[in-house]
Amino acid sequence: TQLLEQSPQFLSIQEGENLTVYCNSSSVFSSLQWYRQEPGEGPVLLVTVVTGGEVKKLKRLTFQFGDARKDSSLHITAAQPGDTGLYLCAGAGGSTLGRLYFGRGTQLTVWP
Amino acid sequence: GAGVSQSPSNKVTEKGKDVELRCDPISGHTALYWYRQSLGQGLEFLIYFQGNSAPDKSGLPSDRFSAERTGGSVSTLTIQRTQQEDSAVYLCASSFFNEQFFGPGTRLTVL
Repeated sequence: TQLLEQSPQFLSIQEGENLTVYCNSSSVFSSLQWYRQEPGEGPVLLVTVVTGGEVKKLKRLTFQFGDARKDSSLHITAAQPGDTGLYLCAGAGGSTLGRLYFGRGTQLTVWP
Repeated sequence: GAGVSQSPSNKVTEKGKDVELRCDPISGHTALYWYRQSLGQGLEFLIYFQGNSAPDKSGLPSDRFSAERTGGSVSTLTIQRTQQEDSAVYLCASSFFNEQFFGPGTRLTVL
């Protein structure tokens, strides 16, 4: 059973377009993280959101945590080829203390 | 470097052989995780160590998989009698609070 569902699974867009990736769950999380993974490397943390309704911006990336702390979204403005990668959301606060529950990821490809 | 290291980076083995994968976490990190990632897929949780607590083994796919963490630091993931479906990248991560720091992974190929 996947606690976190990400959509879409694949996204292929042209440079300059905007996009949104969704991460949904029926479970409440104490915090939610977004990671990005590039080929041949391990995932790297982008942001942690903790408070329901919280919005964080990282340059062209905007992260939002749902009011009920069950869902999150990642919006990228004016995507660039350097944004290409696998985006993973991960929730903390499930049944096992300290464990993160990862979604399956969204593979983003941005074409020049 | 002070990051998570894994060895070997690549491992090719024959079906039926045993393999050991090693993870050196960041010094001082109390938590250590193993994940498996198939090509183009997300992370499949395998096992989680936290301090001296009993590990969470709920993600291990079969009894051919085992892991240990010696002295609260280095961890070894052992796969016995490897099968072709075990081919994947095995990622290790360590953390102190919630942020996980990942190693580069070991790419396992079972022929």
